[in-house]
Amino acid sequence: AQRVTQPEKLLSVFKGAPVELKCNYSYSGSPELFWYVQYSRQRLQLLLRHISRESIKGFTADLNKGETSFHLKKPFAQEEDSAMYYCALSTQTGANNLFFGTGTRLTVIP
Amino acid sequence: DAGVTQSPTHLIKTRGQQVTLRCSPKSGHDTVSWYQQALGQGPQFIFQYYEEEERQRGNFPDRFSGHQFPNYSSELNVNALLLGDSALYLCASSPLPGGNEQFFGPGTRLTVL
Repeated sequence: AQRVTQPEKLLSVFKGAPVELKCNYSYSGSPELFWYVQYSRQRLQLLLRHISRESIKGFTADLNKGETSFHLKKPFAQEEDSAMYYCALSTQTGANNLFFGTGTRLTVIP
Repeated sequence: DAGVTQSPTHLIKTRGQQVTLRCSPKSGHDTVSWYQQALGQGPQFIFQYYEEEERQRGNFPDRFSGHQFPNYSSELNVNALLLGDSALYLCASSPLPGGNEQFFGPGTRLTVL
């Protein structure tokens, strides 16, 4: 069975400080990993996916198969980064059935 | 394009009743997925519809059923409501059954009393 764990429900950092949101997964196959974000009063939206290896809004995430992790990082947090972040896993490349973690609420303190 | 739309916004039902939630996908999208998000939890996959058929299903009982119409819109039906069915129900659409970004709707908040 697959599982996504986000150990921090809440995370607060000061503006300009580095931020790392942790995500660990368990799955016996080769998963596809995603980060979704929900800003205040907005819909859940895709932030980035590991296969694209892009940097979106300054965020990056590297899939570490050895540690089964997909941590989200940004070197300098901005106030507009305050949001709810969800790590998600898909068990097949090209599948839409996402398995989500419980989410981390990031607050960037001005 | 309004993106993914869902109706109603809020709904209150009592135990044992039945409910139908509706979703219209983003223009150009033909695949619809439904998720249940309980308070404090991440979304949980219920099922996915493509070409008017259920293609994938998560770990939800048969009380949860769905339908997709020729115009790609979809309904989620829940029978014999339980208190534990109280949640935010999210609809997501994508242009293909797999390999693409999912676009989420605003959700329908269901409260079962």
